[in-house]
Amino acid sequence: AQKVTQAQTEISVVEKEDVTLDCVYETRDTTYYLFWYKQPPSGELVFLIRRNSFDEQNEISGRYSWNFQKSTSSFNFTITASQVVDSAVYFCALSAYNQGGKLIFGQGTELSVKP
Amino acid sequence: NAGVTQTPKFQVLKTGQSMTLQCAQDMNHEYMSWYRQDPGMGLRLIHYSVGAGITDQGEVPNGYNVSRSTTEDFPLRLLSAAPSQTSVYFCASSFPSGTRNGEAFFGQGTRLTVV
Repeated sequence: AQKVTQAQTEISVVEKEDVTLDCVYETRDTTYYLFWYKQPPSGELVFLIRRNSFDEQNEISGRYSWNFQKSTSSFNFTITASQVVDSAVYFCALSAYNQGGKLIFGQGTELSVKP
Repeated sequence: NAGVTQTPKFQVLKTGQSMTLQCAQDMNHEYMSWYRQDPGMGLRLIHYSVGAGITDQGEVPNGYNVSRSTTEDFPLRLLSAAPSQTSVYFCASSFPSGTRNGEAFFGQGTRLTVV
């Protein structure tokens, strides 16, 4: 069975702090995809990144970076120099190969960045 | 670009009433899905479709019905509303394959309350 665990329910930081959101997954598939989505207070879901299981290269996009480690089944998300606009609920998700319509989501981590 | 359009945005139903949540996408995606979001549980898959005429159950299908007569539309029917179906519902469409496999686009959500 597939499962995604985000153990951090809520995180509160002060602006400019770095923050890491943890994501641990379980799957028996050898090929799969991992995702991060952002849900700001307005409620919509915004795609941030997709990573496939055979590409363990870390990725950086501006202040965002992602660390994928197959050995520990983790796909962690770091925000550097956090800003108030980063306040949102962040979801990690998993799908099997070519089953993009079936996302398995973690419980979400609510990030609050205070000025 | 409209993307994924859900209607209505808000709905209050009485127990036992039925209704249809509408979802339409204009990106010609083959995959479409319905999720419900409940506090502390992330998003859970209700039903999904890999193309017109093909649907399948997700993790929490009971009490819901879907059909997919066209690529664009994927309505979700509540057969006899129950208070346990109070939730926020999201429709999504996604690429089935290729370099953007699994990248899902979500509608704005429907906040449903069953009293």
